Amino acid sequence: DAKTTQPNSMESNEEEPVHLPCNHSTISGTDYIHWYRQLPSQGPEYVIHGLTSNVNNRMASLAIAEDRKSSTLILHRATLRDAAVYYCIRISSGSARQLTFGSGTQLTVLP
Amino acid sequence: KAGVTQTPRYLIKTRGQQVTLSCSPISGHRSVSWYQQTPGQGLQFLFEYFSETQRNKGNFPGRFSGRQFSNSRSEMNVSTLELGDSALYLCASSERSLSPTGNEQFFGPGTRLTVL
Repeated sequence: DAKTTQPNSMESNEEEPVHLPCNHSTISGTDYIHWYRQLPSQGPEYVIHGLTSNVNNRMASLAIAEDRKSSTLILHRATLRDAAVYYCIRISSGSARQLTFGSGTQLTVLP
Repeated sequence: KAGVTQTPRYLIKTRGQQVTLSCSPISGHRSVSWYQQTPGQGLQFLFEYFSETQRNKGNFPGRFSGRQFSNSRSEMNVSTLELGDSALYLCASSERSLSPTGNEQFFGPGTRLTVL
């Protein structure tokens, strides 16, 4: 059974980097990793996605392990507005898309 | 552009009833996906509609169904409600069909369904 696991919670100090891990040990070679975050009382919002190599955008960086069994979302300088639940999602690239959600990591940013 | 809107925002039903939720995507978006969020099961994918056709489907019973209209608005119907159907139902829209290679989804605020 495909599983995507994340720690329940993490804390970070403001202005410091945050590394949010995701384990997807049963990932297939063509599954992509997406990250979304959900702020309180809002729907999720897109953060970043990737397949094999590391990815960067204005919000974050995504580091994918060489064996693709894990990935890490990196927020370079956490702000109070980054406090949210972060979801790691596997999306298959077969003819029928399958989405496997992690349980989410609640990130607390301390001032 | 206006964001994704969902109506109603809150709904209370009793077991055995049916319910219809509505989702209006961002203008120009042709894909609408539906998700269920519960404290126990977390986020789960229900299905996706693109250009009025169901493109992808998650692992939910047939009591959960949906449709999409020519203006891309989508409805989700749940028949014979069970207590376990109490959840936040989220819809998300995107320009193209659900794709692992990109195609950012934009989520609405959700409809909170309570089944008594």
